[in-house]
Formats: sequence, structure tokens, C-alpha cells
Amino acid sequence: AQTVTQSQPEMSVQEAETVTLSCTYDTSESDYYLFWYKQPPSRQMILVIRQEAYKQQNATENRFSVNFQKAAKSFSLKISDSQLGDAAMYFCAYRSAGVVNKFYFGSGTKLNVKP
Amino acid sequence: GAGVSQSPRYKVAKRGQDVALRCDPISGHVSLFWYQQALGQGPEFLTYFQNEAQLDKSGLPSDRFFAERPEGSVSTLKIQRTQQEDSAVYLCASSLVVLGTEAFFGQGTRLTVV
Repeated sequence: AQTVTQSQPEMSVQEAETVTLSCTYDTSESDYYLFWYKQPPSRQMILVIRQEAYKQQNATENRFSVNFQKAAKSFSLKISDSQLGDAAMYFCAYRSAGVVNKFYFGSGTKLNVKP
Repeated sequence: GAGVSQSPRYKVAKRGQDVALRCDPISGHVSLFWYQQALGQGPEFLTYFQNEAQLDKSGLPSDRFFAERPEGSVSTLKIQRTQQEDSAVYLCASSLVVLGTEAFFGQGTRLTVV
């Protein structure tokens, strides 16, 4: 089974600064998809960014970018120019490309943004 | 509605009581997932439907948990004889069946068993 590991339970960043959240995963599959989700206190999981494993180019979405290292099975999220609204739990997720393409989630990183 | 809707948002059940949690996915979304999220943890997979077919129920913790999606749209997660360890947030998500697409989540149902 696939596993997703987030080794940073909590992180803090100063407003306008940059922060990187780490994620590693374990899989024997060659084709899969990786996601970062944000979960504010409202509990609504919101997609931040997505990466296809077959693409070498790192995904970017405005202030959010990833560093995808397929051989190392690493998928970190960089948040630039951090804003107060970025404070939330962040979950790294793996989605299989198989028939039952369910999501596997890490344990999450709580991001605090200091004004 | 435009998003995934779950009801109720909060449910308090006495130990031993049966509960039913409802999920209305986004219209047209073939795939539907149920996840259980304990406090401070990431979501754990419970079960997966493609239309009305339950393709994977490997995450259901016991035979007290049962899920159905009889017409391929609305889904219900039922928990019989609730126990304190069932207390958690239950998240429903739906997605297109197209590979690699993201899942859209509801706001979850927080179940507290007392």
C-alpha cells in the first residue's frame, strides 16, 4: 500500500516570508498524481496544487509551487509571500492511477502565519 | 448546489445508537469517497464508489460500518451500535473518473459518541 509522510507537525512563518512544507511518499507504481490540500478550521479541504508524476516540470500556482523529486519520492510545497489567510492544516496526498484511484493522505502540517 | 454537501454537520450519538451520514456529491461526478479523520490526523480512506458500485471497502474498520450509493448519486454511510472510538469527522469527496483529477470535499460530519 502507498504511504505518505509529513514529518513536520507544525511550522511557523512570518507574513510575506517563504516557507516550505515537506512530504515524502512510498509507492511501487510508476504512474500517479500528487496533491497538496489546505484545510482551514471550517474543515473544507481545498486543493492548492496538483502534480502529475509523468511530468518533470514542477507545478506552480501563483504563490504556491512544488519541488517534485520522483526518484527521491519527495514532494515539497513552497509558499511564497505568505499571507495570514494561508494559516491552516496542509495535507499532502497521493492518488493512484489504477482502477480504484483512491487518495492517500499524510498526517498534515499545521502552518501558522505571524503578522 | 455547486459543491459536495454533507449532512448533518454535527451529530452526537449515545453509545450503541445507529447513525446515518449523508453525502450529496457534485452532479456528474462518478467517483465518491468516504474518509474518516480523527482529531489532528489526516483523512483515512474508508470506501470508494464508482457510480453505484462499491469498488473498495477495505478501509471500513468493522462490520458495523456500511456504505451505499444505490442510484449512483447520493451516498449514505451508516454506523451501527456506535462506539466511542467512532468519534471523528467523516469526510465525503467526489471526483470525475478521469485519471488524476482532484477530489472535491464536503465540509464533513463531526460525529461525537458519548
